Amino acid sequence: AQSVTQPDIHITVSEGASLELRCNYSYGATPYLFWYVQSPGQGLQLLLKYFSGDTLVQGIKGFEAEFKRSQSSFNLRKPSVHWSDAAEYFCAVGAFSGGYNKLIFGAGTRLAVHP
Amino acid sequence: DTGVSQDPRHKITKRGQNVTFRCDPISEHNRLYWYRQTLGQGPEFLTYFQNEAQLEKSRLLSDRFSAERPKGSFSTLEIQRTEQGDSAMYLCASSFGLAGGTDTQYFGPGTRLTVL
Repeated sequence: AQSVTQPDIHITVSEGASLELRCNYSYGATPYLFWYVQSPGQGLQLLLKYFSGDTLVQGIKGFEAEFKRSQSSFNLRKPSVHWSDAAEYFCAVGAFSGGYNKLIFGAGTRLAVHP
Repeated sequence: DTGVSQDPRHKITKRGQNVTFRCDPISEHNRLYWYRQTLGQGPEFLTYFQNEAQLEKSRLLSDRFSAERPKGSFSTLEIQRTEQGDSAMYLCASSFGLAGGTDTQYFGPGTRLTVL
């Protein structure tokens, strides 16, 4: 069955420190992978996506993610975290069937940033 | 482009009442999705529209739930005889996709439902 695992429920980092959020997926075919961010009480904003090609993808707000097929992972990284990055981050895989993508999300990682 | 909008943003209702939510997708987006997000969880797929046709319904969508997308524009999600377990954030997303092609979904701000 298709699934997404985000092993870290909560992560706390200091402002200016580097960040890596982990994501592992289970999907039988070539995955379409996404990272979204959600601020409290808000909808989801797309950070970046991977469909094919270069396995290192760049997104908005200085985020990047690397697709590693051998590890079934799509980890999100940022070299220097800002206080405004505090939010919940969701990794998702697009279960592409019948000509459309229904997204399967992980449970999310809540990021706190210390000044 | 104003993005995906949802109305209302918050809804408090009593158990047994009916509620209806509206989603206005990004103009010219032919695909529309509904998801449900409960506290501490990621969103879960509910249903999908290609233009006005509802092509998939999750088993999460019981008989008390119905969704429509008349004329392939806005969509409504109705819950009849609400139960406390229906309390959640209901998210709408839209995208543009060619036949057989993948897409990127853009989400609205959600409607938070509280059933007392």
